[in-house]
Amino acid sequence: DGGITQSPKYLFRKEGQNVTLSCEQNLNHDAMYWYRQDPGQGLRLIYYSQIVNDFQKGDIAEGYSVSREKKESFPLTVTSAQKNPTAFYLCASSKSGLSTDTQYFGPGTRLTVL
Amino acid sequence: GNSVTQMEGPVTLSEEAFLTINCTYTATGYPSLFWYVQYPGEGLQLLLKATKADDKGSNKGFEATYRKETTSFHLEKGSVQVSDSAVYFCALSEETGGFKTIFGAGTRLFVKA
Repeated sequence: DGGITQSPKYLFRKEGQNVTLSCEQNLNHDAMYWYRQDPGQGLRLIYYSQIVNDFQKGDIAEGYSVSREKKESFPLTVTSAQKNPTAFYLCASSKSGLSTDTQYFGPGTRLTVL
Repeated sequence: GNSVTQMEGPVTLSEEAFLTINCTYTATGYPSLFWYVQYPGEGLQLLLKATKADDKGSNKGFEATYRKETTSFHLEKGSVQVSDSAVYFCALSEETGGFKTIFGAGTRLFVKA
């Protein structure tokens, strides 16, 4: 079955540590996205990529970094510069990044800073 | 800038009741409109969408019509089930110098048996 996988499901980080969240898709989609979800709020875009080796900042990119070396993979690193990283992180993909495209979401990673 | 406003929850209904979740938007051009649903502990999944004015999206008994004159995309279902309990997100997507999807804050629905 095609889909998006995220790992790990739960992640705990000590203050001052960088952590990397994994996102893999086998849908052959060109575009991939990272969102942050906080309780009672909608999703906010962190980064997106519409093609391999290219990505753009979203609304809340500070303290985060990404890479897109392969079409299937779009890992997100939460750096120590992110002041309030505890949240639910969702990865998504879409066929070509057009506004009419449906986004397909992974199951999410819940990050907690201890 | 673009924005999406949806009714605050939680919404609590009895099984077989009629559901309406209001969604209004502001946009500079001609966005596509979406409803996504999120079940506890999961990612979002598409419920329905409409890509131009007067289009009606429908799926699993849910419907929404893209109303440009009222800038609305209200979600309706004639008879809800306990399994419809989830958080519903209205979203718009528009290409204005780059990709942009805006999500509403979400509306939590509880359906009682």
